[in-house]
Amino acid sequence: DVKVTQSSRYLVKRTGEKVFLECVQDMDHENMFWYRQDPGLGLRLIYFSYDVKMKEKGDIPEGYSVSREKKERFSLILESASTNQTSMYLCASHRGSSYEQYFGPGTRLTVT
Amino acid sequence: GQNIDQPTEMTATEGAIVQINCTYQTSGFNGLFWYQQHAGEAPTFLSYNVLDGLEEKGRFSSFLSRSKGYSYLLLKELQMKDSASYLCAVLESNYQLIWGAGTKLIIKP
Repeated sequence: DVKVTQSSRYLVKRTGEKVFLECVQDMDHENMFWYRQDPGLGLRLIYFSYDVKMKEKGDIPEGYSVSREKKERFSLILESASTNQTSMYLCASHRGSSYEQYFGPGTRLTVT
Repeated sequence: GQNIDQPTEMTATEGAIVQINCTYQTSGFNGLFWYQQHAGEAPTFLSYNVLDGLEEKGRFSSFLSRSKGYSYLLLKELQMKDSASYLCAVLESNYQLIWGAGTKLIIKP
């Protein structure tokens, strides 16, 4: 069974803290994505990766960075959390020949 | 520019049929996805259309008209568990997904 897991379901951080969100998939997928989801807006792409050590900026990369040291793991880093980064963060993956994305359960991050 | 439009919210009755529309204007087209997302959960795949026409999958069907930039998701014999948000997403020519804001479907007994 296909599985994408995220390190936390809920997270509360203070302004200025460094935040790590981790995503792991067990499907040997090449492609991994980080989105944020806010009420009234569609999923917005932050960063994606097509291979190990490879990363590409999405539509809203400002304030975020990513790391992909292993094929199964894709980490999202908030260098200095701000209140406008309070959101639901969703990780997704898909294999190269299919564009059907599989999602993790999401991390609801609150920055106070 | 890129734009995907879906109704924000719809209400339907258990046992009935509902059609959720999606119109799009994107940079190229390589297919359209529908996902279901229950509150507080991850989106899950429902359908993928790349050619015009209707594709049926059990109680759910999805239709695409590329010339009109239009798709709909048809849900038959509605059940309470169908209460969820339904997300439309277009795969653009660069193979990036552009997402609509989603339609929240409320099912009443």
